[in-house]
Amino acid sequence: DIQMTQTTSSLSASLGDRVTISCRASQDISNYLNWYQQKPDGTVKLLIYYTSRLHSGVPSKFSGSGSGTDYSLTISNLEQEDIATYFCQQGNTLPPWTFGGGTKLEIK
Amino acid sequence: QVQLKESGPGLVAPSQSLSITCTVSGFSLTSYGVHWVRQPPGKGLEWLGVIWAGGITNYNSALMSRLSISKDNSKSQVFLKMNSLQTVDTAMYYCARDRAGYYGNYFDYWGQGTTLTVSS
Repeated sequence: DIQMTQTTSSLSASLGDRVTISCRASQDISNYLNWYQQKPDGTVKLLIYYTSRLHSGVPSKFSGSGSGTDYSLTISNLEQEDIATYFCQQGNTLPPWTFGGGTKLEIK
Repeated sequence: QVQLKESGPGLVAPSQSLSITCTVSGFSLTSYGVHWVRQPPGKGLEWLGVIWAGGITNYNSALMSRLSISKDNSKSQVFLKMNSLQTVDTAMYYCARDRAGYYGNYFDYWGQGTTLTVSS
């Protein structure tokens, strides 16, 4: 199975900041990397698929990049509503599809 | 408007079985697959399995012997069944719509989740 690692489990930033969350795969996943946002009430939403493609309705303040085994999610102009836990997921062709452990974003 | 909503028993005794229903709207189960994902308290997300539009299923190999996913297309419902439940199965259980294709596999819409507690 492909292991996904988010080395930063929690991150504290100020309103208006630009933050970057990282994710590493145990092997090359050919840009099949997706990002999800989980709000404190448990609601999960897709933000980005295939490394950098924005899901419908997701604001452009969210962006993704990366290749090979290393990927990142960037959130610009941090707002209160961005407080959430962010998970990466590898979307390679075959199951199982695995998630990173999550990065919890908090306001300083 | 795509929606998924899980419903389950909430509390189950150890060694018993579980059945959770995912009721969908805004799309057809004959066109999209549906995945099940769970999250133990304070932990990350774990993929459990998927039922594809044509009815074929794939499961997490670690849970395959205890899992079964089925669906009723006419009722727009997908069912997750798990037997021999243990306290480690306590988690929030989510269903999510599949988007598999050129951009790989991802889950574009999720239900709100249903909490399952395994306890005597």
